[in-house]
Amino acid sequence: QKEVEQNSGPLSVPEGAIASLNCTYSDRVSQSFFWYRQYSGKSPELIMSIYSNGDKEDGRFTAQLNKASQYVSLLIRDSQPSDSATYLCAVRRVDSSYKLIFGSGTRLLVRP
Amino acid sequence: NAGVTQTPKFQVLKTGQSMTLQCAQDMNHNSMYWYRQDPGMGLRLIYYSASEGTTDKGEVPNGYNVSRLNKREFSLRLESAAPSQTSVYFCASFPGQGAQPQHFGDGTRLSIL
Repeated sequence: QKEVEQNSGPLSVPEGAIASLNCTYSDRVSQSFFWYRQYSGKSPELIMSIYSNGDKEDGRFTAQLNKASQYVSLLIRDSQPSDSATYLCAVRRVDSSYKLIFGSGTRLLVRP
Repeated sequence: NAGVTQTPKFQVLKTGQSMTLQCAQDMNHNSMYWYRQDPGMGLRLIYYSASEGTTDKGEVPNGYNVSRLNKREFSLRLESAAPSQTSVYFCASFPGQGAQPQHFGDGTRLSIL
């Protein structure tokens, strides 16, 4: 079992719809959770971070964390073609290395 | 503010050649990381430096060495390049406090023939 798992996709949604991206992780003591967006040929850029159970909203993006079920999700409302990218889920361990463990990413396609 | 700067951006090597990838950050971050990303895959950690003066292996360290030259700079060396090391390499830095994200450089595309 991978430490961080994501469906590779592609997830295809029409413009204006809600895109739901999911991620599960295996280490129960993971502390911090991050969603990065990566356009083809570019470096990852941070979209959202979440540390506590529940929802965190930032504009059209909402991150949801459920530590008991060990999953974190990202909702994108009013999806735009410019949201088409690969979304990487990353989990930080509770140790002094502050290492991030990345999932393999979900490719999102927003159809005009 | 440049953030994390990687050089070179592109490089083609022949099997057996050596090369050093450079990374520098100007954010006074304590920790630095080297990742590789292969097509369709996430980022895999090669080596990291949790603080100046320390380095540790990550998930895929074989064939690589690193040097934390000072707080700003963290280099990755391929002593004898192999085609399996063809990849995109990303450097990242982190302030050293748990609630902060990592900041990434633009990457180095490395092809080994």
